[in-house]
Amino acid sequence: QSALTQPPSASGSPGQSVTISCTGTYSDVGNYDLVSWYQHHPGKAPKLMIYEVSQRPSGVPDRFSGSKSGNTASLTVSGLQAGDEADYYCSSFAGSNNLGVFGGGTKLTVL
Amino acid sequence: EVQLVQSGAELKKPGESLKISCQASGYTFSNYWIGWVRQMPGKGLEWMAIIHPDSSDIIYNPSFQGQVTISADKSFSAAYLQWSSLKASDTALYYCARPTIIGRVIVKIDHWGQGTLVTVSS
Repeated sequence: QSALTQPPSASGSPGQSVTISCTGTYSDVGNYDLVSWYQHHPGKAPKLMIYEVSQRPSGVPDRFSGSKSGNTASLTVSGLQAGDEADYYCSSFAGSNNLGVFGGGTKLTVL
Repeated sequence: EVQLVQSGAELKKPGESLKISCQASGYTFSNYWIGWVRQMPGKGLEWMAIIHPDSSDIIYNPSFQGQVTISADKSFSAAYLQWSSLKASDTALYYCARPTIIGRVIVKIDHWGQGTLVTVSS
């Protein structure tokens, strides 16, 4: 069982928006603004999409946005495109002497 | 361009040893922590360990302490993950990852390798 809880699947039609949740505890998501999100197309290297809850690395489209409320972080993908179909993982810092925790991943399907 | 290129897939028997590698390029290897992330079949991601190539400072996930050994070679700009005696439960996809760390806090993982599939089966 992963430390952070994500829904196993999410889906939306092209052009729509979809939000993926990532629920932790006060020991991780709730206590630190150090949540990141990764996009993973199977067979390829994962890619950083969001860091520090809502920051986008250069090159990541602004269709991807992140937020947090309490112990739950969220990734929203707007204007869904076929290329957005992938697995998405969240991660959070979880205190000193801890390498951080990941979610179990959400498979995003573009219908 | 930062690149992390991992060694190829491995098929090993229980009890055998193994060392997989991650060749880094496109940045000054000594200046950045580098580590390994495990993904067991059908499961999520788990940090295993990270190492700073210059100081050789190492942080293990307690779940992996004593089970694997992480190392780095500055002269080859490479990181390694080693097992002395593999188990079937070590079957997984292993990713090399370069995180941004500030004050021993992992802020994000900027760069990932393509993954090395390790299969342990008799």
